Amino acid sequence: KAGVTQTPRYLIKTRGQQVTLSCSPISGHRSVSWYQQTPGQGLQFLFEYFSETQRNKGNFPGRFSGRQFSNSRSEMNVSTLELGDSALYLCASSRAADRAGGELFFGEGSRLTVL
Amino acid sequence: AQSVTQPDIHITVSEGASLELRCNYSYGATPYLFWYVQSPGQGLQLLLKYFSGDTLVQGIKGFEAEFKRSQSSFNLRKPSVHWSDAAEYFCAVGVAKMEYGNKLVFGAGTILRVKS
Repeated sequence: KAGVTQTPRYLIKTRGQQVTLSCSPISGHRSVSWYQQTPGQGLQFLFEYFSETQRNKGNFPGRFSGRQFSNSRSEMNVSTLELGDSALYLCASSRAADRAGGELFFGEGSRLTVL
Repeated sequence: AQSVTQPDIHITVSEGASLELRCNYSYGATPYLFWYVQSPGQGLQLLLKYFSGDTLVQGIKGFEAEFKRSQSSFNLRKPSVHWSDAAEYFCAVGVAKMEYGNKLVFGAGTILRVKS
């Protein structure tokens, strides 16, 4: 069974640009969450999508957005990039539909460097 | 709001020695608790989880953790550490309320070094 797939794995952008990251969840998983990981702030929750609807959102500015498609694949977008957006962006999927706090399965992440 | 504290940023143990990584959480009700491990350049892998029931839970790779409600703790243990266990370990708490979805709050992590 294929795991969570994130693309691209590595990317370099400059300040002011925008970036789109993609996540394909495990087959049958309808929940996709995104986390930002940095050395200073650790792992921080960005948002969660379930059945194409944003179910929960973390404390990030509006420059961070996401969406989920009917096949459960998800994308996140960061506009007007800042140096502080450099991070590892992790996607996680979960089967849990009617029960909160489900087990998350993580991808290997997309490493974003902003110059 | 829920929070997780991992008091130890770094821990070094000798190969073959026992290991205990500490985790304290703050949440008013019974939480869902998790331990994840991350190797360099990799995503997070679930080691074990506690939802309810038996307070001693067994995980993969010989790890176990004990939920102690009175101490708000969920410490991770392993009786004999292998060099391949060197990684960063994260404790996380989830909330059993639908409005929280699958959101997890993570601790800052503990980096485990194993010396031979």
